[in-house]
Amino acid sequence: GAVVSQHPSRVICKSGTSVKIECRSLDFQATTMFWYRQFPKKSLMLMATSNEGSKATYEQGVEKDKFLINHASLTLSTLTVTSAHPEDSSFYICSARPVDTSGETQYFGPGTRLLVL
Amino acid sequence: QKEVEQNSGPLSVPEGAIASLNCTYSDRGSQSFFWYRQYSGKSPELIMSIYSNGDKEDGRFTAQLNKASQYVSLLIRDSQPSDSATYLCAVGGMDSSYKLIFGSGTRLLVRP
Repeated sequence: GAVVSQHPSRVICKSGTSVKIECRSLDFQATTMFWYRQFPKKSLMLMATSNEGSKATYEQGVEKDKFLINHASLTLSTLTVTSAHPEDSSFYICSARPVDTSGETQYFGPGTRLLVL
Repeated sequence: QKEVEQNSGPLSVPEGAIASLNCTYSDRGSQSFFWYRQYSGKSPELIMSIYSNGDKEDGRFTAQLNKASQYVSLLIRDSQPSDSATYLCAVGGMDSSYKLIFGSGTRLLVRP
């Protein structure tokens, strides 16, 4: 149980284009999903908290107009990197918090490697 | 600034030994504590959660929490080469956002 998928697993795009990453909870519902990015040999950096049916909450320093988050259902959240630049190249990981949990337990997706040329 | 501190390592132990991983946190209001394992190139995998002072055991893993000292640890008994990974400590419960604050991780290397 508690499986989270991400699609695509890897994407290469040209500078200036937009990339959409999907995060799905496969066997549970999640009112809250989180988006992280991770640079090589660094820890996870929380970008934003995605709540179903409401606007995402972005962490300080994360541009909401550049990283668009939509949480349209209890099993799907999407992150769109708009006008991507090479410095956006990173490992993007989502996590999902099951609706029937009382704490902060999160299950992670397998991640998406983004390379912007 | 809420912080979670871990020694980056690498911590090197021989196969069969006990590996001890430590973590300290700055926010006294923290209520929940998690250990995740992350293999190179992969996403984190939840190993254990702990909410109360004391020890919590699950198979070869034991999590220890001391809220007075703001300290949480993970013991891995009978370490195996397959345990070689980066172990991330995460702390939550500071507010109603359900966010976790992650440490930078400790790299564990189990020598055959």
